[in-house]
Amino acid sequence: DGGITQSPKYLFRKEGQNVTLSCEQNLNHDAMYWYRQDPGQGLRLIYYSQIVNDFQKGDIAEGYSVSREKKESFPLTVTSAQKNPTAFYLCASTIGNTIYFGEGSWLTVV
Amino acid sequence: DAKTTQPPSMDCAEGRAANLPCNHSTISGNEYVYWYRQIHSQGPQYIIHGLKNNETNEMASLIITEDRKSSTLILPHATLRDTAVYYCIVRVSNAGNNRKLIWGLGTSLAVNP
Repeated sequence: DGGITQSPKYLFRKEGQNVTLSCEQNLNHDAMYWYRQDPGQGLRLIYYSQIVNDFQKGDIAEGYSVSREKKESFPLTVTSAQKNPTAFYLCASTIGNTIYFGEGSWLTVV
Repeated sequence: DAKTTQPPSMDCAEGRAANLPCNHSTISGNEYVYWYRQIHSQGPQYIIHGLKNNETNEMASLIITEDRKSSTLILPHATLRDTAVYYCIVRVSNAGNNRKLIWGLGTSLAVNP
């Protein structure tokens, strides 16, 4: 089945460590996005990519990095510079008007 | 993209229709109304969208007022699995504008047995 796969579903990170969240899609979508969701808050855009080898900062890019080497993949690295990384992270993609989301990844800093 | 206003929470009895309102008084003529829902700890799921006319699909119906300043999502026979947060979003029909979407807090719908 086509869709967006995020992994891992749950991840624990020690302070000072970088972690990478995986996002893979087999929908042949050009554009991909990373959002962050905190309890009781709406989605906030971290990074987005409209095409391979190109990506742009969203509203809260500080402390995060991405790459888009392949159309199907858009990994997100949460660096040690991100001061409050504990959150629910959502990857999304679109080829037109409708956004499709993955199942999300929970990141907890311990 | 225009901002939307939704009630923070609603309740509905199982088997009854759930009517979720959304105000978008600053909507522009070329902006669509989209509805998504998010079940706890999952990614948001697309439900339906419309521009001017009322729309219906296998999941829900969307009623848009004639002045387009508000809309209502209707789940005709709510089930317990419809318990979720429902987001109303307005956006221009242009893939390049996905980055500008404003996701508010939505309406938390509780379907009760």
